Amino acid sequence: QSVLTQPPSASGTPGQSVTISCSGSNSNVGGHTVTWYQQFPETAPQLLIYANSRRPSGVPDRFSGSKSGTSASLAISGLQSEDEADYYCATWDDSLKGPVFGGGTKLTVL
Amino acid sequence: QVQLRESGPGLVRPSQTLSLTCTVSGASISAGNYYWGWIRQHPGKGLEWIGYMYPSGNAHYTPSLKSRSIISGDTSKNQFSLKLNSVSAADTGKYFCGRVSLFYSDTNGYTVWLDFWGPGTLVTVSS
Repeated sequence: QSVLTQPPSASGTPGQSVTISCSGSNSNVGGHTVTWYQQFPETAPQLLIYANSRRPSGVPDRFSGSKSGTSASLAISGLQSEDEADYYCATWDDSLKGPVFGGGTKLTVL
Repeated sequence: QVQLRESGPGLVRPSQTLSLTCTVSGASISAGNYYWGWIRQHPGKGLEWIGYMYPSGNAHYTPSLKSRSIISGDTSKNQFSLKLNSVSAADTGKYFCGRVSLFYSDTNGYTVWLDFWGPGTLVTVSS
């Protein structure tokens, strides 16, 4: 059971916008920045968003991140079939004195 | 381009030690601006930090695995390794190594991310 709570699943149709949430506390999301990863089946995760809202080069601007208080969100606009993957949030946790991942959200493109 | 690749036995007997190596190319593990970490993923489950190594050679471990884990580096080979002792079936999973960026500011707290990952290696603990 992670200290970061993500919905286990999310879905949308092509072209729609989808938001995935990551809920924590003052000792993690509320006090530190959030990172998002995308993972396709049988592959390593890929960095999607870091420092709450920054995109590494090569990540489409359809992906955006935000944070407010103890919750963070990953928004995907113009949903495409290739966006179907697992998404993980991550941050630092003061109680664990180290980094932590959320439980992950499986995104299905209908 | 930075590349990482995990290697090690795919099968480990219960109570034995799991030993994995991550070979890094395109970057030096002794450079001062990055850390080097291990993450695992149980079959069908989410990601779990194991720990990460500082360029100095010191390491940080997630509390639940700290007593059984050792992460160390070999700068001459540009490799770092993970040893996890007293394994059980609960340690079965895919193990990833990655390059870690870690910063702290009074304004934003800690910012941590992995920008390069190895493809992962599946380790099964079974007799």
